Amino acid sequence: EAQVTQNPRYLITVTGKKLTVTCSQNMNHEYMSWYRQDPGLGLRQIYYSMNVEVTDKGDVPEGYKVSRKEKRNFPLILESPSPNQTSLYFCASSSIRVGVRGYTFGSGTRLTVV
Amino acid sequence: ILNVEQSPQSLHVQEGDSTNFTCSFPSSNFYALHWYRWETAKSPEALFVMTLNGDEKKKGRISATLNTKEGYSYLYIKGSQPEDSATYLCAFFDRGSTLGRLYFGRGTQLTVWP
Repeated sequence: EAQVTQNPRYLITVTGKKLTVTCSQNMNHEYMSWYRQDPGLGLRQIYYSMNVEVTDKGDVPEGYKVSRKEKRNFPLILESPSPNQTSLYFCASSSIRVGVRGYTFGSGTRLTVV
Repeated sequence: ILNVEQSPQSLHVQEGDSTNFTCSFPSSNFYALHWYRWETAKSPEALFVMTLNGDEKKKGRISATLNTKEGYSYLYIKGSQPEDSATYLCAFFDRGSTLGRLYFGRGTQLTVWP
């Protein structure tokens, strides 16, 4: 089944403790992206990647890192999480023409930083 | 950051009512407009990707129209059913931006009462 797999689904952590949210897709998509969803705000892009080793900042990249060493994986790294990073996170992937095909989203990761 | 506006923010209708909502986006540098359906506790799913002025797309009881010259799109649901309850997101793809970027509106939350 074609899908984007995120883990974990839920995570509660403490301020400053490094964490990684994994994202993997099995559709051979070039484009992958991370979004966060906060109440009253639309989905905001954190980082995106156009292919292996090609990444760029979205609208809210501060406090996050990403890497794209393999085409299928695009992990999101929070080196020193803070409470303002408590949010619902989505990973998404698309074939090369994201404007034409649209994104396939993962099931989301609800992160709470205390 | 490009501004994508959706209205209304929320909508409550009775089963069987028809309804519509609006997405407004910048009319310059248009490339594509996406509609996504996002049910509670699930991830957003692409409904339509529209690229041409005057485009009309239909999937069952849901249809969408696009006016790129004035920068708006309408989503229509005919004979709403409780299972249509979801948040409907639109997203704008700008010809001038880097290929991986979609700009999302805040969504219209639809509740259909039986």
